[in-house]
Amino acid sequence: EDKVVQSPLSLVVHEGDTVTLNCSYEVTNFRSLLWYKQEKKAPTFLFMLTSSGIEKKSGRLSSILDKKELFSILNITATQTGDSAVYLCAVGAAYSGGGADGLTFGKGTHLIIQP
Amino acid sequence: DAGVTQSPTHLIKTRGQQVTLRCSPKSGHDTVSWYQQALGQGPQFIFQYYEEEERQRGNFPDRFSGHQFPNYSSELNVNALLLGDSALYLCASSWGLAGGYEQYFGPGTRLTVT
Repeated sequence: EDKVVQSPLSLVVHEGDTVTLNCSYEVTNFRSLLWYKQEKKAPTFLFMLTSSGIEKKSGRLSSILDKKELFSILNITATQTGDSAVYLCAVGAAYSGGGADGLTFGKGTHLIIQP
Repeated sequence: DAGVTQSPTHLIKTRGQQVTLRCSPKSGHDTVSWYQQALGQGPQFIFQYYEEEERQRGNFPDRFSGHQFPNYSSELNVNALLLGDSALYLCASSWGLAGGYEQYFGPGTRLTVT
């Protein structure tokens, strides 16, 4: 059974700090790893990673994938109160029937940024 | 460009009843996936629809069924509701099968079963 484990499950830091969120996975026929930010309801897409060692960046957020060690990290630098959210990691696998599999999610990391 | 939309936003039902949730995918997307998110948990995959057919299904009982229409919109039906079905139901859309990993989510329907 496919599995995604995120750590820590919750984290409280002060504005301006840098945080690193972790995601490890065990999945058959791995194709991609995705990060989402969930504030109220809809998870919003952050990154999709398919290749090892290539960092993806968007402003203060960055992420990298290690396919040998089966994990990914999401870094947020110079955190702001608006970064407070649940960050979800998900893994997509190749479906035996061809094409994309349903995503397997971790439980998420609840990040709180204090002013 | 409209994103993924879902209706209704909230719903309260009684045990044993049936419910239908609706989803319209993002413009240009043709694949719809449904997820159930219990409080404090990550979303769990229910099933995926492409070309009006259920392509793949997660570990959910037959009480959960769905449909996709020619305009790519989709419905999720749940029969014989149980208290444990109370959750946020998320719809996600994507383009095609090969591009299906990059899924965009709607705001969800909060279902409460009493």
